[in-house]
Amino acid sequence: GQQVMQIPQYQHVQEGEDFTTYCNSSTTLSNIQWYKQRPGGHPVFLIQLVKSGEVKKQKRLTFQFGEAKKNSSLHITATQTTDVGTYFCAGPNYGGSQGNLIFGKGTKLSVKP
Amino acid sequence: DGGITQSPKYLFRKEGQNVTLSCEQNLNHDAMYWYRQDPGQGLRLIYYSQIVNDFQKGDIAEGYSVSREKKESFPLTVTSAQKNPTAFYLCASRPGTGMDEQYFGPGTRLTVT
Repeated sequence: GQQVMQIPQYQHVQEGEDFTTYCNSSTTLSNIQWYKQRPGGHPVFLIQLVKSGEVKKQKRLTFQFGEAKKNSSLHITATQTTDVGTYFCAGPNYGGSQGNLIFGKGTKLSVKP
Repeated sequence: DGGITQSPKYLFRKEGQNVTLSCEQNLNHDAMYWYRQDPGQGLRLIYYSQIVNDFQKGDIAEGYSVSREKKESFPLTVTSAQKNPTAFYLCASRPGTGMDEQYFGPGTRLTVT
């Protein structure tokens, strides 16, 4: 069945270091979304990428959608302690109804001050 | 304030009891979802509803039931048939066709002993 995989599962960085998480889909996606979940909190939508090769930036966060629309990445420059949390990617679940998402298992980021 | 509310935040039950988790939204969103999150896991879809009076099973519906009698409300019942009910339960909603991002409530952490 359709799968969305994320690596790494965990990442520990020193504050100020960069961080990247990768998302790979078993199928071509019409779009990909990224969410952030703070410890003890709930997922919050960050961004949606739609176009092949698309790159979007939000301050220190850079999101990319691969040319084949099967992979994506989130890069954080110069991490801060406020970046701590789990980052999930999600794509449309083609086995379900329109609007259903399939989530990766997430990358948990910890930042040492 | 517009948003999704879930109550209670923490819930404790004895094994063999049914329990109902509340989810209310005032965003006027058509679609609503229930996810289960276990440590180190992504979000797994339990049930979803695209419109009032209609709902569909997700990937892990066994041992759960839902209703959608009002647009604003989508309660989830965890029945005694659910073999491993202890988890973090998240409710989400989505605006409608063409808008794919989902908005999550704060979640209910259910512990069954």
